[in-house]
Amino acid sequence: DQQVKQNSPSLSVQEGRISILNCDYTNSMFDYFLWYKKYPAEGPTFLISISSIKDKNEDGRFTVFLNKSAKHLSLHIVPSQPGDSAVYFCAAPNRDDKIIFGKGTRLHILP
Amino acid sequence: EADIYQTPRYLVIGTGKKITLECSQTMGHDKMYWYQQDPGMELHLIHYSYGVNSTEKGDLSSESTVSRIRTEHFPLTLESARPSHTSQYLCASSEYRQAPGSPLHFGNGTRLTVT
Repeated sequence: DQQVKQNSPSLSVQEGRISILNCDYTNSMFDYFLWYKKYPAEGPTFLISISSIKDKNEDGRFTVFLNKSAKHLSLHIVPSQPGDSAVYFCAAPNRDDKIIFGKGTRLHILP
Repeated sequence: EADIYQTPRYLVIGTGKKITLECSQTMGHDKMYWYQQDPGMELHLIHYSYGVNSTEKGDLSSESTVSRIRTEHFPLTLESARPSHTSQYLCASSEYRQAPGSPLHFGNGTRLTVT
């Protein structure tokens, strides 16, 4: 049973526009959520996180929104740039401190 | 720059061979992890360690084994490789007493193909 779900395997966005990546979760005990970015043949790198006591966290072009009642979070990238083309993973640590990952969304930034 | 190193980056090997995937980190992190990831799928935790002489199995059943004799080194061994072991293997580390929500640091992975 997937605790962290990314239902869109891929997303294409025009350069300069906003990219919105979505993530749903089932475990209401999650306290933190993290987004990782992964290029082909490289390991994931941390992008941004949010605590469950907040509903928004912003870092430059990246903003994560959390809707606890809907068990939903989203990552907004604006403006989208070619270097943003990658796979984005949503993740959350469970109470055993193990990180649970979603399946990822492949983002294509179109020129 | 990479503070966690995995070798080899790519490996093609025949069925039945014994292989060891290397992982080393220079950050002094106590916790280390091995994840397995197939394209379009989530990362699955297969092994982790809280420190020297500590090893635990993760959530995904794996025929591999790990050892943690030194803080900086966390190798993964497959005694007899099979085609079903074909995957990407990612090593990661983190501080033991880290703030909640602190991220993992990943290596660049080893892509293993068993023919």
